[in-house]
Amino acid sequence: EAGVAQSPRYKIIEKRQSVAFWCNPISGHATLYWYQQILGQGPKLLIQFQNNGVVDDSQLPKDRFSAERLKGVDSTLKIQPAKLEDSAVYLCASSLDSRNNEQFFGPGTRLTVL
Amino acid sequence: QKEVEQDPGPLSVPEGAIVSLNCTYSNSAFQYFMWYRQYSRKGPELLMYTYSSGNKEDGRFTAQVDKSSKYISLFIRDSQPSDSATYLCAMSYNAGNMLTFGGGTRLMVKP
Repeated sequence: EAGVAQSPRYKIIEKRQSVAFWCNPISGHATLYWYQQILGQGPKLLIQFQNNGVVDDSQLPKDRFSAERLKGVDSTLKIQPAKLEDSAVYLCASSLDSRNNEQFFGPGTRLTVL
Repeated sequence: QKEVEQDPGPLSVPEGAIVSLNCTYSNSAFQYFMWYRQYSRKGPELLMYTYSSGNKEDGRFTAQVDKSSKYISLFIRDSQPSDSATYLCAMSYNAGNMLTFGGGTRLMVKP
């Protein structure tokens, strides 16, 4: 079974630039999550999708972050404009459905904002 | 005060030792408890998943949940150098809800 795929693995940008991350969940997984993991901390949920609908985006900084999952499979997370404090690893995870807590994580995208 | 507290370590043990990793939490509404292992520059990998209080064993790993004390533990028996990683506890209120993670404990098992 293929795992959660993410790209790119690494990204370096200047502050105020834009950046986008892509995630392909495990096949058949209806629920998709984006987490932000700052160095030395645990992951923090940014947004949760159930198919193509948003379940929870209460911790997403909506003035600069956006995410979509238009066809209920792949998802993109965008930051525009980036700030220095956005430097982190962005992790995508998926689970079978919203009744299942077993979340499987991708390798993450490491973002450095200079 | 953070919702979930975890000693960041590092915790250094010799190969073969029994390792005890712990988390405390403040919100008694948490019902689902998980332990993830994260190797450097990798995503977290689910190790153990428990519901409510009690013990669960899987090979060399044992997870314990004490809801009355708001305290969870992960024990690793016969630790191996390959167990060297950061261990994250996570918990949620209901199935399918967001996970709230601890900050992780870095474990080093020396040959």
